[in-house]
Amino acid sequence: TQLLEQSPQFLSIQEGENLTVYCNSSSVFSSLQWYRQEPGEGPVLLVTVVTGGEVKKLKRLTFQFGDARKDSSLHITAAQPGDTGLYLCAGARKTSYDKVIFGPGTSLSVIP
Amino acid sequence: DSGVTQTPKHLITATGQRVTLRCSPRSGDLSVYWYQQSLDQGLQFLIQYYNGEERAKGNILERFSAQQFPDLHSELNLSSLELGDSALYFCASSVGRGRVGYTFGSGTRLTVV
Repeated sequence: TQLLEQSPQFLSIQEGENLTVYCNSSSVFSSLQWYRQEPGEGPVLLVTVVTGGEVKKLKRLTFQFGDARKDSSLHITAAQPGDTGLYLCAGARKTSYDKVIFGPGTSLSVIP
Repeated sequence: DSGVTQTPKHLITATGQRVTLRCSPRSGDLSVYWYQQSLDQGLQFLIQYYNGEERAKGNILERFSAQQFPDLHSELNLSSLELGDSALYFCASSVGRGRVGYTFGSGTRLTVV
């Protein structure tokens, strides 16, 4: 059973387009993290959101944590080829050591 | 360079063999996590250590074991290897709880033939 679901699974867009990827769960998380992973490399942390309703911006990337802390979205404005990669969301469960669970990822390809 | 060092980068071995993967966490990080990533399973949590003690276990097979040493480096031991164990194995570290996010190493690609 996948505790975290991501959609879409694959996304191929033209340079300059906008896109949104979603991360959903029926569980409540103490925090939610977004990572980007390139082929053959480890995931790199982009952002951590901890408060329900929180919005964080990182240049052209906007991250939002749902009010109920069960879901999140990542919006990319004017996508560039350098944005290509696997985007993973990860939720920290509210246990004594905040075990983190990863979603299956959204594979983004931005075509020049 | 993320600060988390994993060795070796690539490993090719035969079925039935045993291998050891090594991880040095980022300086100052006390927690080490091991993940397995395969195409059909995504990133699967294996085990977590904090300052030398096991803190959480995920879907780690009995053939696999790990430990964290006093200098905080960690080793993941995989034995009686099967073809299905072929995957990328990642180590990540964090200062304390995973709540604020992890720093990942670049992984070890294990191929069992």
